[in-house]
Amino acid sequence: DIVMTQSPDSLAVSLGERATINCKSSQSVLRSSNNKNYLAWYQQKPGQPPKLLISWASTRESGVPDRFSGSGSGTDFTLTISTLRAEDVAVYYCQQYETTPRTFGQGTKVETK
Amino acid sequence: EVQLVESGGDLVQPGGSLRLSCAASGFTFSNYWMNWVRQAPGKGLVWVSRINNDGGSTTYADSVKGRFTISRDNAKNTLYLQMNGLRAEDTALYYCARYAGSSDLDYWGQGTLVTVSS
Repeated sequence: DIVMTQSPDSLAVSLGERATINCKSSQSVLRSSNNKNYLAWYQQKPGQPPKLLISWASTRESGVPDRFSGSGSGTDFTLTISTLRAEDVAVYYCQQYETTPRTFGQGTKVETK
Repeated sequence: EVQLVESGGDLVQPGGSLRLSCAASGFTFSNYWMNWVRQAPGKGLVWVSRINNDGGSTTYADSVKGRFTISRDNAKNTLYLQMNGLRAEDTALYYCARYAGSSDLDYWGQGTLVTVSS
């Protein structure tokens, strides 16, 4: 199975500042046949189901604010929240869907400082 | 509006069985692969199983293989998860989630809670 490791486990960021979450996979999630990274980012707020923010490592879902961006390729990925808002307080998960079983990172809790 | 509504969660004794359901609406259910993902209390997300759009192909996490069975009834727009031989470590909130081939798990239900305890 592909192991997904996120860092840090938690971070506290001041409102309006940048938040950066890293995700590393134990093997590449880049599929050479279509040059796509099978990497998604989810946001989960307390008491709610996860919400898909980004797929294919960098494609924002419809309706997701552009302060959220994803980058990276192969085994190293980053989710950036350019200017943190209060409503962004949540746990963020990366997940690979290149192979079965899909595997998630352990989650990164983002709080306000 | 896309909706996924899970039901069937309950308190069950170790070794017991339970069937979860996920009622889908607001989209053509038979066009989409579906998944179950679980989350133990205070823990992270763990993928459990997936089924293709016509039910002819299924895949399971090793932790549930041989004990859980995913199925679907496209005429009823409903996804199922039959859970047998339940263990304490199966205690979790179980979500159904739709797989959009153009992205990933784009819609999730609110979850149904399964508690395995004597």
